[in-house]
Amino acid sequence: DADVTQTPRNRITKTGKRIMLECSQTKGHDRMYWYRQDPGLGLQLIYYSFDVKDINKGEISDGYSVSRQAQAKFSLSLESAIPNQTALYFCATSDSPKSGVETQYFGPGTRLLVL
Amino acid sequence: LAKTTQPISMDSYEGQEVNITCSHNNIATNDYITWYQQFPSQGPRFIIQGYKTKVTNEVASLFIPADRKSSTLSLPRVSLSDTAVYYCLVGDLGDMRFGAGTRLTVKP
Repeated sequence: DADVTQTPRNRITKTGKRIMLECSQTKGHDRMYWYRQDPGLGLQLIYYSFDVKDINKGEISDGYSVSRQAQAKFSLSLESAIPNQTALYFCATSDSPKSGVETQYFGPGTRLLVL
Repeated sequence: LAKTTQPISMDSYEGQEVNITCSHNNIATNDYITWYQQFPSQGPRFIIQGYKTKVTNEVASLFIPADRKSSTLSLPRVSLSDTAVYYCLVGDLGDMRFGAGTRLTVKP
């Protein structure tokens, strides 16, 4: 979805390096999410934020940190990258639903390789 | 957190109807059922959502029995481009989780 952009799209880094993945959205949504996906597996939730002042840990937050700089921006940092953090990372957004539950809109993904 | 169980993979042929069933025995009263589709190297995309009975949109239908312990995603007349992974999610607000999904392969 072009309304959710991720930079960079691909990144190669070395063990021990600190890196940041960025996500921006123009949908005006309050909620933003970071997921990782390993080959052949489903998505695992790393962190999520329901508004600028709200940050929550997901299933696999160890080794990661996030920053919600504005409603439209949500960054994911790997403080000291390790090889098993090699994965495809997705950012997603959603709005507070009027009925039902939220529908998430995903970015194109960032492919990260840690050597 | 309601856990879901789906088949790991399914095969079909072009033009056939495909039904993917998801089990969610401990679904809570407030939980909705949501299905997403994911193509390789792309983010998941919302397909359909429902609470009970039947929901239909331009892409698929969702059948939910009265006890809501399972749901079935129905894709009419699939084409090769429907080859993807399909995820069933159950929950409310920030509680929904993606499992491994069902890998659907449509053959010519």
